Amino acid sequence: QVQLVESGGGVVQPGRSLRLSCAAAGFSFSSYALHWVRQAPGKGLEWIGLISYDGNNKYYADSVRGRFTISRDNSKDMVYLQMDSLRPEDTAVYYCSRGDPATHTVSDFWGQGALVTVSS
Amino acid sequence: ETVLTQSPGTLSVSPGETATLSCRASQSVDTKLAWYQQKPGQAPRLLIHGASTRATGVPARFSGYGSGTEFTLIISSLQSEDSAVYYCHQSKHWPPITFGQGTRLEIK
Repeated sequence: QVQLVESGGGVVQPGRSLRLSCAAAGFSFSSYALHWVRQAPGKGLEWIGLISYDGNNKYYADSVRGRFTISRDNSKDMVYLQMDSLRPEDTAVYYCSRGDPATHTVSDFWGQGALVTVSS
Repeated sequence: ETVLTQSPGTLSVSPGETATLSCRASQSVDTKLAWYQQKPGQAPRLLIHGASTRATGVPARFSGYGSGTEFTLIISSLQSEDSAVYYCHQSKHWPPITFGQGTRLEIK
């Protein structure tokens, strides 16, 4: 079955960096787009960005563009979220999700999430 | 950016009854509208995509309707396990992909 498992969350000081990883299993990873979506404590869902199946196309929300970078390694079935210049408002649970095969833009399976806390 | 506005903010319905959740888009998204269910402490789960197509394994009690700017999620024969926050999501005009603010469904 499809599995997505995030790791790398934790507490980080403002201005520092953190990298999240998402390990995929149970599907042909290199054929699917992957998304990152976050959820601040007690708040709704916010789309962060998408990376195409081959890694050649990446799209970001304005709130993270220039600070966050999505990458993938299709040889390892892994997707990454590099987060630089972190701010307190980046505190959230970060989910990776798989883009549906038809449109690539609907998240049809999600990981369990990784909590990132930005605090001094 | 396409803004999705969900109503009501909170809905309280008795078991066995029907819940109607609404999502309005700030511009037409055709049928590129999805619905997700999120229970406390869990990741979201895809319920509906393409405005009306149930995702794999989703019970027929969940139905989606609409096109353009007005969408509805109807959950019939409500069960206690349906208690959750429900989000709509559009992918017609992106980036960014956007979510509604959510409707909290409480089962009395």
